[in-house]
Amino acid sequence: GQQLNQSPQSMFIQEGEDVSMNCTSSSIFNTWLWYKQDPGEGPVLLIALYKAGELTSNGRLTAQFGITRKDSFLNISASIPSDVGIYFCAGIRTSYDKVIFGPGTSLSVIP
Amino acid sequence: GAVVSQHPSRVICKSGTSVKIECRSLDFQATTMFWYRQFPKQSLMLMATSNEGSKATYEQGVEKDKFLINHASLTLSTLTVTSAHPEDSSFYICSARRGGGQPQHFGDGTRLSIL
Repeated sequence: GQQLNQSPQSMFIQEGEDVSMNCTSSSIFNTWLWYKQDPGEGPVLLIALYKAGELTSNGRLTAQFGITRKDSFLNISASIPSDVGIYFCAGIRTSYDKVIFGPGTSLSVIP
Repeated sequence: GAVVSQHPSRVICKSGTSVKIECRSLDFQATTMFWYRQFPKQSLMLMATSNEGSKATYEQGVEKDKFLINHASLTLSTLTVTSAHPEDSSFYICSARRGGGQPQHFGDGTRLSIL
């Protein structure tokens, strides 16, 4: 079946550093989504991307929809302690398909 | 906004009890709602897709008689874990979307603990 791969699996960074994580697939997706999940809570949508090549920002977060439509990346600039959590990428192949979730990237920020 | 409310947030009950979890879209009509299960340090595992007014579509390996889903309106879906046992203990999360191709918005999850 369709699978998404996320890298890195986990990362530990110093507060203030920039963060980059990515999501790849062997299949083409028409929509890419990035979610953040805090412990004990549901995922929260950060950014939605609908067009190949699209670059979208949400505060300190920037995400891009890869030109090949098989990948996406998320950057976080000037990380702060509240950025800690698990970041999931997700893809939608067609309008009637369910969302496919990646395994997540765990981010830890050291003050 | 797109707010999804899930209730209860935590349930602790005895083995053999049936537990109902509600998922409501508060400020939009959800054509489709989804139910996920999540084990510690793992990604979300889709259990079933629920469209208003029709039977839920269950993922392979998910027992439909064990996990009853009702989607009676465009703003409410319920998941009932029937005759729950300790192995059913998990974090259950619902999500809802306005329409096809739209992002899903998640509830805050229900921590189910079966003693």
